Amino acid sequence: EVQLVESGGGLVQPGRSLRLSCAASGFTFDDYAMHWVRQAPGKGLEWVSGISWNSGSIGYADSVKGRFTISRDNAKNSLYLQMNSLRAEDTALYYCAKDTYSSSSGLSYFDYWGQGTLVTVSS
Amino acid sequence: SYVLTQPPSVSVAPGKTARITCGGNNIGSKSVHWYQQKPGQAPVLVIYYDSDRPSGIPERFSGSNSGNTATLTISRVEAGDEADYYCQVWDSSSDSNWVFGGGTKLTVL
Repeated sequence: EVQLVESGGGLVQPGRSLRLSCAASGFTFDDYAMHWVRQAPGKGLEWVSGISWNSGSIGYADSVKGRFTISRDNAKNSLYLQMNSLRAEDTALYYCAKDTYSSSSGLSYFDYWGQGTLVTVSS
Repeated sequence: SYVLTQPPSVSVAPGKTARITCGGNNIGSKSVHWYQQKPGQAPVLVIYYDSDRPSGIPERFSGSNSGNTATLTISRVEAGDEADYYCQVWDSSSDSNWVFGGGTKLTVL
């Protein structure tokens, strides 16, 4: 059974940093690209960042480019999101999602999602 | 950047057919995926590649995609189908490759 378990969320002041983690199990982690998707309270889904199986291809939403860094450790079956210079508008539930291919393309989609970890940016 | 437009809400009586649209420039040339999200839960894939259903998704869920509009159709709607639905595409023309529609709240009357 595929499981994605996010952690690391919490309350943080504007301008500070936070690191999210996603522990994956039930599939061969290093065969697939992975993503972070967020959802602000009462709002829709927003893709945040994605990383290919070998970290060779990485992408970010314009809203987080230059502030967030995605990474993965295939030996630990884990995905990470380093979030710096946090803003109030980064407040959201952050989901980890599995891609269906090793690198995202027009052929892929997200077949499994975690339950999310809540990040609240407030003074 | 590529924009996907969904109606904010759709209402339907039980047993009827619900159609949720997703508009985008020449979206028919892209593969569209649909996710269902019930309150307090993570999104669940219900349609991929415009019209394919993952295992475990009822046949009542179907999809189509042509021109500038993709459509998620739910036949014989049940109370349990009440949820938010999001369309998604891959846009190769921008760095922010993955695009979601704004979501549609399906209400079962």
